[in-house]
Amino acid sequence: EAQVTQNPRYLITVTGKKLTVTCSQNMNHEYMSWYRQDPGLGLRQIYYSMNVEVTDKGDVPEGYKVSRKEKRNFPLILESPSPNQTSLYFCASRSTGIFEQYFGPGTRLTVT
Amino acid sequence: QKEVEQDPGPLSVPEGAIVSLNCTYSNSAFQYFMWYRQYSRKGPELLMYTYSSGNKEDGRFTAQVDKSSKYISLFIRDSQPSDSATYLCAIITGRRALTFGSGTRLQVQP
Repeated sequence: EAQVTQNPRYLITVTGKKLTVTCSQNMNHEYMSWYRQDPGLGLRQIYYSMNVEVTDKGDVPEGYKVSRKEKRNFPLILESPSPNQTSLYFCASRSTGIFEQYFGPGTRLTVT
Repeated sequence: QKEVEQDPGPLSVPEGAIVSLNCTYSNSAFQYFMWYRQYSRKGPELLMYTYSSGNKEDGRFTAQVDKSSKYISLFIRDSQPSDSATYLCAIITGRRALTFGSGTRLQVQP
């Protein structure tokens, strides 16, 4: 089954404790991206990657890091999480030249 | 000014009603417009997309773009309880990124 998977689905952590949210897709898509979704603000792009070893900032990159060492994986790293990073995070992927993005199920992160 | 603006609702309608969901956008150069549907506790999924102006129909759903007024709409005919979800408009903006509206929550009452 074609899908984007994220782990963990739910995470509660404390300020400053480094964490990684994993994202994996099995569709051989070149393009992957991370979004955060907040009430009233919709989905905002954090980082995206056009292909392996090619990443770039989205609209709200501060406080986040990403890497793309393999085509299928695109982890999101929070080196020192803060409460304002409490949000619902989505990973998405698509093929180059195709507009449809496939979204993962989401990771609900709470930083206390 | 936000690139895409969307009324957050919530919008509550009886089963069988015609639903109209709308977004406005700021840049007349935008050409690709999409509607995503997001069920509770799920990721968004693409419902429809249109290029430039005009209408596109898919079953009970019609997407409409009015470039002169920078307005996009999604119409749902004969709405069903299973249509209850959040609907997000999205536009391809610079660097081929998707910019989303904030989403309109729709509840169809049986």
